[in-house]
Amino acid sequence: KAGVTQTPRYLIKTRGQQVTLSCSPISGHRSVSWYQQTPGQGLQFLFEYFSETQRNKGNFPGRFSGRQFSNSRSEMNVSTLELGDSALYLCASSYRTGPLGEQYFGPGTRLTVT
Amino acid sequence: EDQVTQSPEALRLQEGESSSLNCSYTVSGLRGLFWYRQDPGKGPEFLFTLYSAGEEKEKERLKATLTKKESFLHITAPKPEDSATYLCAVQGAQKLVFGQGTRLTINP
Repeated sequence: KAGVTQTPRYLIKTRGQQVTLSCSPISGHRSVSWYQQTPGQGLQFLFEYFSETQRNKGNFPGRFSGRQFSNSRSEMNVSTLELGDSALYLCASSYRTGPLGEQYFGPGTRLTVT
Repeated sequence: EDQVTQSPEALRLQEGESSSLNCSYTVSGLRGLFWYRQDPGKGPEFLFTLYSAGEEKEKERLKATLTKKESFLHITAPKPEDSATYLCAVQGAQKLVFGQGTRLTINP
């Protein structure tokens, strides 16, 4: 069974630009969550989608947005990039919403903002 | 606000030297506590879920325990391949909150 895939794996952008990251969950999984991981803040929850609907949202500015498609694939968008957005962005999928602990993470997209 | 604190930040052990990692938490209405392992350059890998105080889970050389205020990840006779960052997370009303992790190094 294929795991969670994320594309691209690495990305370099300039301040002010926008970026779109993609996540394909494990087949059959309908919940996709996004996290930002930095050395200073650790893993922080961005948002969760289930059946194309945003179910939960973390404490991030509106520049961070996402969506989920009917095939459960998800995209995350960050507009007007700032230097502080440099991080590893992780996507995780699970079969259902609710207690989300048993999530399966992808390898992440390493975003560098210069 | 839900909070998770892991200690120590880093731990270096000799192969075969058992030890424990700590995860202290405050959460409104704990729905679950989770342990993950993360290797460099990879996403976290799920290890355990604990739901109520007194619960224990085991997997190979790892055993996770839970009280009302903290969880321990016990590592028995570790091997170099157990080297990784171990993350603890709690599920409250809505979202998962992660600790900063403990970076574990096992020297051969």
